[in-house]
Amino acid sequence: GQQVMQIPQYQHVQEGEDFTTYCNSSTTLSNIQWYKQRPGGHPVFLIQLVKSGEVKKQKRLTFQFGEAKKNSSLHITATQTTDVGTYFCADRNTGTASKLTFGTGTRLQVTL
Amino acid sequence: NAGVTQTPKFQVLKTGQSMTLQCAQDMNHEYMSWYRQDPGMGLRLIHYSVGAGITDQGEVPNGYNVSRSTTEDFPLRLLSAAPSQTSVYFCASSRRDRGNYGYTFGSGTRLTVV
Repeated sequence: GQQVMQIPQYQHVQEGEDFTTYCNSSTTLSNIQWYKQRPGGHPVFLIQLVKSGEVKKQKRLTFQFGEAKKNSSLHITATQTTDVGTYFCADRNTGTASKLTFGTGTRLQVTL
Repeated sequence: NAGVTQTPKFQVLKTGQSMTLQCAQDMNHEYMSWYRQDPGMGLRLIHYSVGAGITDQGEVPNGYNVSRSTTEDFPLRLLSAAPSQTSVYFCASSRRDRGNYGYTFGSGTRLTVV
């Protein structure tokens, strides 16, 4: 079956540094969604990318969809302590749009 | 709107016991799903539903049953609890259309099977 891997598994940065997590799929992605989960919390939807090469920005967050639709990335500029959490990518299968296949997640720790 | 409500928040079961995890949403979402989250394993899909009366299996359905008699409710039943089912369970719902809409997750149920 489809495997969606994220690297790194864990990253610890100092506040103000940049952060990037990469999402790679063994098969072509349909629509990629990104979620953030704070420690002890539940996943919260951030954004969806649907087109090859698409780039979307949300304040300090930049999301990219690869040209071949087999990878995606999330970049955070100048991290803040409020960015702490685990970031998941998820493939939303357009054939059965109710199914999400989640990536393995990247846990971000930010210290002052 | 309350969003997605899961009950209970915490539960301890003995091996072999059965129970139902409740999930209700008030957003009139067509799609609902159940996930389990284990350390280092991400979120894995247990069962999902595209509408009332329609359910299907996800990646890890064994040991769990679901039903969807109404749009609002999607309970998850553990038939005979096993220690391997110790996990955090999340219910989620979404609109059917393909716009920039993600899933809304409930706050989760932490289940321990002893």
